[in-house]
Amino acid sequence: DVKVTQSSRYLVKRTGEKVFLECVQDMDHENMFWYRQDPGLGLRLIYFSYDVKMKEKGDIPEGYSVSREKKERFSLILESASTNQTSMYLCASSPPPYNEQFFGPGTRLTVL
Amino acid sequence: QKEVEQDPGPLSVPEGAIVSLNCTYSNSAFQYFMWYRQYSRKGPELLMYTYSSGNKEDGRFTAQVDKSSKYISLFIRDSQPSDSATYLCAMRGSSGGYQKVTFGTGTKLQVIP
Repeated sequence: DVKVTQSSRYLVKRTGEKVFLECVQDMDHENMFWYRQDPGLGLRLIYFSYDVKMKEKGDIPEGYSVSREKKERFSLILESASTNQTSMYLCASSPPPYNEQFFGPGTRLTVL
Repeated sequence: QKEVEQDPGPLSVPEGAIVSLNCTYSNSAFQYFMWYRQYSRKGPELLMYTYSSGNKEDGRFTAQVDKSSKYISLFIRDSQPSDSATYLCAMRGSSGGYQKVTFGTGTKLQVIP
């Protein structure tokens, strides 16, 4: 059974904190993605990675960075958390031809 | 204007009804069209995808694409309470290499027993 796991289901942080969200996939997929999901805005792509140490900006990369040191792991970093980054964060991985993305369960992040 | 428009609902139907979920889009380069289902407090999962225009059937689910109208639909026959979820349409182009997937905002469906 294919699996994408995320380190936390719920997270509460303070403004200005550095936040790490971890994602691990066990399917040997090359492509991995970070999205945020907000009511009325849907899924918005923050960053994606097509190989180890490779990354591309998505639609809303400001305030975020990513790290992919190993194929199975893709981390999202909020350098200095702000209240407008309160959201549901979803990680996904995808094999070619990229029509199917496998999503993790999500991390609901609240920044106070 | 958003590239992909989807009515957020909620859509409430009785068990056994036929459900029609729809999306419109503006980018004529989109060639692959997907439907994802997302249960509460879970990540989305792919239901089915189609390439270009036409219909595709999988059990109680039928996906339909009309590229001339830039309109896609998902039909659910004999709807069940277990179909209660948010349905997201998604689409991408087909040029070589990875093409970004654009998602709709989702339609929340409730099937009442």
